[in-house]
Amino acid sequence: AQKVTQAQTEISVVEKEDVTLDCVYETRDTTYYLFWYKQPPSGELVFLIRRNSFDEQNEISGRYSWNFQKSTSSFNFTITASQVVDSAVYFCALSEEAGGYNKLIFGAGTRLAVHP
Amino acid sequence: KAGVTQTPRYLIKTRGQQVTLSCSPISGHRSVSWYQQTPGQGLQFLFEYFSETQRNKGNFPGRFSGRQFSNSRSEMNVSTLELGDSALYLCASSLLPSGNTIYFGEGSWLTVV
Repeated sequence: AQKVTQAQTEISVVEKEDVTLDCVYETRDTTYYLFWYKQPPSGELVFLIRRNSFDEQNEISGRYSWNFQKSTSSFNFTITASQVVDSAVYFCALSEEAGGYNKLIFGAGTRLAVHP
Repeated sequence: KAGVTQTPRYLIKTRGQQVTLSCSPISGHRSVSWYQQTPGQGLQFLFEYFSETQRNKGNFPGRFSGRQFSNSRSEMNVSTLELGDSALYLCASSLLPSGNTIYFGEGSWLTVV
C-alpha cells in the first residue's frame, strides 16, 4: 500500500545550522511523483519541488537541496544555513499513476523551528 | 499570475448546518482537488474534479460532496456538520491530472460548534 513516512515530528535548530528532513515512501507503482511542501502558520501549502520516479538527479535551489534515492525509497530535503524564515511545517507527498496522479498522499509533516 | 483562491477564509458553523466552500484555480488549470487537514488525521484527500467530472474520491462519508463548473471553479459542500468536521480545507489545482505540479490555496478554516 502507498505510504509516506516522515519520522521526525519536530526539529529545533539554531540559525545558520544545516538541517535535513527525512522522507521515506512506499509504492508499488513504477511511475510516481514526489513533492515537498512548506506550510507556514497561515495555512497555505507552498510548493517547493516535484520529482518524478525516473529522475534520480539531486537538485539544488539556493539553500535548498533534495536527495532522491530509489534504492532506499527516500526523498530527503536539506536546508543549508537555516534562517528563522524557514520555520514552518514541511510535508513530503507522493502521487502515483495508479491513483490518477492528483491524489496526493502526505506524510505527517515535520515541524521545523529555527531559533535566532 | 494569481494563485489558487479560496473563500471564505474563516467560518464558524453550528452542528447540523451545512457549509459550501469555494475554490478558483490558477488560470488555465483544469484539475481541482480538495483536502482536509486536521491535527489528528493530517492531510487527507477528499476528491478531485476534472472537466466538471469527479475523477477520484477519498474515503469520506457522503456528507462531503463537490462539483466543478465549466470555468474550472469548484465548490465543496459538507452537510449535517459534525464537530469532527472542524478542519482546514485546502483546494489545489493543476494544469492536467497527469503528473503536473499541484498548487494549493490558503485554505478555509472551518470551526463547527
